[in-house]
Amino acid sequence: DIQMTQSPSSLSASVGDRVTITCRASQSITDYLNWYQQKPGKAPKLLIYGASSLQSGVPSRFSGSGSGTDFTLTISSLQPEDSATYYCQQSVTSWTFGRGTKVEVK
Amino acid sequence: EVQLVESGGGLVQPGGSLRLSCAASGFTFSSYWMSWVRQAPGRGLEWVANIKQDGSAKYYADSVKGRFTISRDNVKNSLYLQMNILRGEDTAVYYCASLDYGSCSGGDCYYFDYWGQGTLVSVSS
Repeated sequence: DIQMTQSPSSLSASVGDRVTITCRASQSITDYLNWYQQKPGKAPKLLIYGASSLQSGVPSRFSGSGSGTDFTLTISSLQPEDSATYYCQQSVTSWTFGRGTKVEVK
Repeated sequence: EVQLVESGGGLVQPGGSLRLSCAASGFTFSSYWMSWVRQAPGRGLEWVANIKQDGSAKYYADSVKGRFTISRDNVKNSLYLQMNILRGEDTAVYYCASLDYGSCSGGDCYYFDYWGQGTLVSVSS
């Protein structure tokens, strides 16, 4: 199975900060990489698909990049409503998720 | 408005069975791959199973293969998950999700698009 490793596992940042979350795949997944946001007690929400395509309706402060094994999710200017856990997920085979990154907004 | 509403969760003893349902509305259900994804309490997300539009192809995570069966009824716009030989580690919130796809370098790349609110399955004696 393809393993997905996210880092950091948690972070705390201030409103307006630039935040970067990384995701590494155990083998190349080209750009078959998606990012989700999950708030407590809620279902996940798709943010980015295909490594860098912004899902309709998602604020433009979210962006994704990378290919092969290394990927990043960037929040360009952190907002209070961005407090959540973020997951990467590969869709090559046996669709595995990373363990998540919990983002706290100070 | 797209809606996915899961039902059928509850408390079951180890070794028991449970059938989850997901009622879909607001989109052409029969045109989409569908999935089940679960989340153990305080843990991350785990993909469980996918099913093709007409039910002709099904894929399972190794952790549930041989015990769980995904199915669908395109007349009733419903997705199902039959869970047998349940174990404590199957305790989780189970979400149904629709799959959509975009264009990636190697062709179509799929993602979980719409999600239900989830139904809790607890396996305990």
